[in-house]
Amino acid sequence: QQQVKQSPQSLIVQKGGISIINCAYENTAFDYFPWYQQFPGKGPALLIAIRPDVSEKKEGRFTISFNKSAKQFSLHIMDSQPGDSATYFCAASGTAGNKLTFGGGTRVLVKP
Amino acid sequence: KAGVTQTPRYLIKTRGQQVTLSCSPISGHRSVSWYQQTPGQGLQFLFEYFSETQRNKGNFPGRFSGRQFSNSRSEMNVSTLELGDSALYLCASSPMFRTAEAFFGQGTRLTVV
Repeated sequence: QQQVKQSPQSLIVQKGGISIINCAYENTAFDYFPWYQQFPGKGPALLIAIRPDVSEKKEGRFTISFNKSAKQFSLHIMDSQPGDSATYFCAASGTAGNKLTFGGGTRVLVKP
Repeated sequence: KAGVTQTPRYLIKTRGQQVTLSCSPISGHRSVSWYQQTPGQGLQFLFEYFSETQRNKGNFPGRFSGRQFSNSRSEMNVSTLELGDSALYLCASSPMFRTAEAFFGQGTRLTVV
């Protein structure tokens, strides 16, 4: 059972544009929603995270928007740069220890 | 502060063999989780250890096992390797149990031939 659904699977954006990745979850017991960035040959790196008590969190060019009633959250990458080209994963936890349930990933390509 | 260290980085094993992977968490972190990453199944949770005890287990066969030592270092073992076990195995460390923040190592790339 896929508990976190992520879309799109891939996206191409021009340098300076906005990348938007969406995730939807099913389990209302989730209470922590991180985003990870992964480059080829590397492990996922924690980018930004949010808890359900806030609707938005911004860190530099990265913003998470959270809609608790819709059970959806999204990552916005503003002013996208070629160095942002990577695979992004949303995740959720809260049901069991530190266990993370991941979305399927989005491969982002930023064209110069 | 040093990050999560996983060894070895690459492994090639033959079907039927067993393998042991090692993970040293960030200094001071006491929770270690293991994940399997494959192109088809994505990132899947294997198990989590805290205070030398397995706290959570994912939906993997009993061939997959792990342990944690008193210094928080962890090992995972896969016995009777199958071709489908070829994957990137990732270790993540967290400060405590139920702190959610998880920091990943670079992984061990296991190829079963």
